[in-house]
Amino acid sequence: DSGVTQTPKHLITATGQRVTLRCSPRSGDLSVYWYQQSLDQGLQFLIQYYNGEERAKGNILERFSAQQFPDLHSELNLSSLELGDSALYFCASSASSGGAADTQYFGPGTRLTVL
Amino acid sequence: ELKVEQNPLFLSMQEGKNYTIYCNYSTTSDRLYWYRQDPGKSLESLFVLLSNGAVKQEGRLMASLDTKARLSTLHITAAVHDLSATYFCAVGLGGGSNYKLTFGKGTLLTVNP
Repeated sequence: DSGVTQTPKHLITATGQRVTLRCSPRSGDLSVYWYQQSLDQGLQFLIQYYNGEERAKGNILERFSAQQFPDLHSELNLSSLELGDSALYFCASSASSGGAADTQYFGPGTRLTVL
Repeated sequence: ELKVEQNPLFLSMQEGKNYTIYCNYSTTSDRLYWYRQDPGKSLESLFVLLSNGAVKQEGRLMASLDTKARLSTLHITAAVHDLSATYFCAVGLGGGSNYKLTFGKGTLLTVNP
């Protein structure tokens, strides 16, 4: 158990809908990262937040947005969902601002299915 | 565009044998990561390599980085069944809004008794 929690575990929704995925980092960790894993695209880094501020941006679509709240939990919002958004979404946390050597601890993931 | 190629993509090996997974990348980078993913599970960070010639070892796994050749290797020594998993390398480039972290397709390792 990494100490990172994600809810929900599974989510099934329809095209065009909007969903919110939630991540609680390990106690004391200030950074949260979001990743997408799909059969088509493989693993992709989406975005990182550090202590409430966006720190790094990867391959995140404009339909997607994220935020980190004062209690350090993070939410990933996915809107206007398409079939291709079906994937596993992982979050990870790390202690500091995400320097290259920072170890990331991954949550169990949320499996999103868009029908 | 940064490209990351892993090979082999599938590796079946016997317990006790040694093998190496290769990770080639197309652009100069200052960080290289290795991850492990068990079937149906999440990711686990294994190693981060930051400089040319860096070598890190944990148990039966040893990772190295040659930035001039743009190559990292993950060497498995005397494999055991518990090492069966998918191994990903990832290469980082840039920072802030220009940060890119590109993953390889992964190597599915099966260790047979």
